[in-house]
Amino acid sequence: QVQLVESGGGVVQPGRSLRLSCAASGFTFSSYGMHWVRQAPGKGLEWVALIWYDGSNKYYADSVKGRFTISRDNSKNTLYLQMNSLRAEDTAVYYCARQGPPDDITILRYFDYWGQGTLVTVSS
Amino acid sequence: QSALTQPASVSGSPGQSITISCTGTSSDVGGYNYVSWYQQHPGKAPKLMIYDVSNRPSGVSNRFSGSKSGNTASLTISGLQAEDEADYYCSSYTSSSTPCVFGGGTKLTVL
Repeated sequence: QVQLVESGGGVVQPGRSLRLSCAASGFTFSSYGMHWVRQAPGKGLEWVALIWYDGSNKYYADSVKGRFTISRDNSKNTLYLQMNSLRAEDTAVYYCARQGPPDDITILRYFDYWGQGTLVTVSS
Repeated sequence: QSALTQPASVSGSPGQSITISCTGTSSDVGGYNYVSWYQQHPGKAPKLMIYDVSNRPSGVSNRFSGSKSGNTASLTISGLQAEDEADYYCSSYTSSSTPCVFGGGTKLTVL
């Protein structure tokens, strides 16, 4: 069965960095576009970043552009999110999510599987 | 402010039907048949309930249905059950700079 397991969250001071990981299993990881979506406490969902199945293209929300970097290692079935220059407003649960279906990466039709999320708290 | 507009809350009694609306523009909901709906219980990850406006993934109850008219999509839950109490989010593909937009979420209370 498809599993996505995030890790790497924690408490970090403003301006510092953190790297999140998402370990995938139960499917051919290298065939799917992958995303990070976040949810601030008590708030709604916010799309953060996308990486194509082969890592050739990456896209970011304006709110994180220039500070966050999405990457993947298809040999390790793992998705990453490097977060630099963190701000208080980055405090959220970060979910990795699989884009379905795999046949057309250019149109985001839906997220068919989500991880359980990892909490990032930016506070001094 | 979210790109898609949903009511903050809806409620219904067990056995009743409720509908949650999701209003966007011709650049998202109205322009593409790529609206999806997610159920989220407290402290849990979102779960896909409807995709491509009206399709149900395998394993999702047929009590859940989706539709669209113009720039507004809707999620209908029939035969409400206590376990349906959750937050519901709509999402749509968009022609803007981001690949998708979300609604602000609707809290469903089963009375």
